[in-house]
Amino acid sequence: GQNIDQPTEMTATEGAIVQINCTYQTSGFNGLFWYQQHAGEAPTFLSYNVLDGLEEKGRFSSFLSRSKGYSYLLLKELQMKDSATYLCAVRAAGNKLTFGGGTRVLVKP
Amino acid sequence: ETGVTQSPTHLIKTRGQQVTLRCSSQSGHNTVSWYQQALGQGPQFIFQYYREEENGRGNFPPRFSGLQFPNYSSELNVNALELDDSALYLCASSPKGTGNLAGELFFGEGSRLTVL
Repeated sequence: GQNIDQPTEMTATEGAIVQINCTYQTSGFNGLFWYQQHAGEAPTFLSYNVLDGLEEKGRFSSFLSRSKGYSYLLLKELQMKDSATYLCAVRAAGNKLTFGGGTRVLVKP
Repeated sequence: ETGVTQSPTHLIKTRGQQVTLRCSSQSGHNTVSWYQQALGQGPQFIFQYYREEENGRGNFPPRFSGLQFPNYSSELNVNALELDDSALYLCASSPKGTGNLAGELFFGEGSRLTVL
């Protein structure tokens, strides 16, 4: 089976940094994804990690440790538009993604 | 490049009815997956279609069924609707089948189903 845990909600101030942690237990591992989902909209792809280490993409970075079953998404220089739900998802076999419950991030002025 | 489109965007049904949701995959994508997202939760995998065949299924009962057509568009059918089936149903397409390494999914806006 698969189990993915991430915090339910986080609050941060505009311009600050927020780190969203994700821990997983899966039978098989073939990549970890982060998606952003604004209320009432479709999830959109943010990042993909399959090897250990940090992937940086502008203000967003994602880190993976396969031995620890752990990932984080780092959002820097927070903007109001970053208020959204952030979904951690693990791919085992095939192209099926198992999602965590999502972390709702609220950015305050 | 046309993205993933789904229809209808919203619909209301009553318990026991049947529903069909439709999805057109992004141009060049031959794999379609369906997910159910209940309010405040992450998407749950229903099943995936690749080259018109079911290619993986999540923990959903047989009353959830699907089709993929030669043009890679897809349908999700749910029979004998229950109140707990109320959710956002997301379709996602990807460029390849099981051999795809990147596996990035491109989601449609979803069909919000309410069962009364």
